Amino acid sequence: DAGVIQSPRHEVTEMGQEVTLRCKPISGHDYLFWYRQTMMRGLELLIYFNNNVPIDDSGMPEDRFSAKMPNASFSTLKIQPSEPRDSAVYFCASSRTSGGAWEQFFGPGTRLTVL
Amino acid sequence: KQEVTQIPAALSVPEGENLVLNCSFTDSAIYNLQWFRQDPGKGLTSLLLIQSSQREQTSGRLNASLDKSSGRSTLYIAASQPGDSATYLCAVPTLDSWGKLQFGAGTQVVVTP
Repeated sequence: DAGVIQSPRHEVTEMGQEVTLRCKPISGHDYLFWYRQTMMRGLELLIYFNNNVPIDDSGMPEDRFSAKMPNASFSTLKIQPSEPRDSAVYFCASSRTSGGAWEQFFGPGTRLTVL
Repeated sequence: KQEVTQIPAALSVPEGENLVLNCSFTDSAIYNLQWFRQDPGKGLTSLLLIQSSQREQTSGRLNASLDKSSGRSTLYIAASQPGDSATYLCAVPTLDSWGKLQFGAGTQVVVTP
């Protein structure tokens, strides 16, 4: 049973470049979440989707960040242009509401380094 | 605004000792509480989820209790092993947005052989 899949696992890029992170949620899950984790700020929720529709993007730091979910099995988080302060580990998580469980399952993360 | 606190920030115990990890939250109107484990350089692994109507949840050597009235949850790990060394985080849904979890800063646990 595959968990949440993220790619790439590591990304090193230069300031100003576009970065695209990808996520495949667990099949059957109707919620998808993007988080960012840094030593300074801990885990921060950036945006989440329900049935492919963005519900809350109040955590997206600025217009350089955008996220899409074109279908139930794929989501992207894009940073354009990237800056060194975007360096962090980005996690994708998914959950389902059947049974009212709301348990979130996380992917392995993408470690982003912006030089 | 819901605030989640985990004390202590770090804990070191000898193998075989029971672990007790604390999580407190400021608003008792929670829907559920979830405990996670994070190994260095890895993602978060869900350990237990306690619904607001439950007082405890068990999985193997892990037992989590929930006392909403006092705003506390405790994660017990029996007979600790070196493999239990990790950071443990608790999280509760925020009051203003379903699905948005408010995380504690975590307790870093080291179990020495």
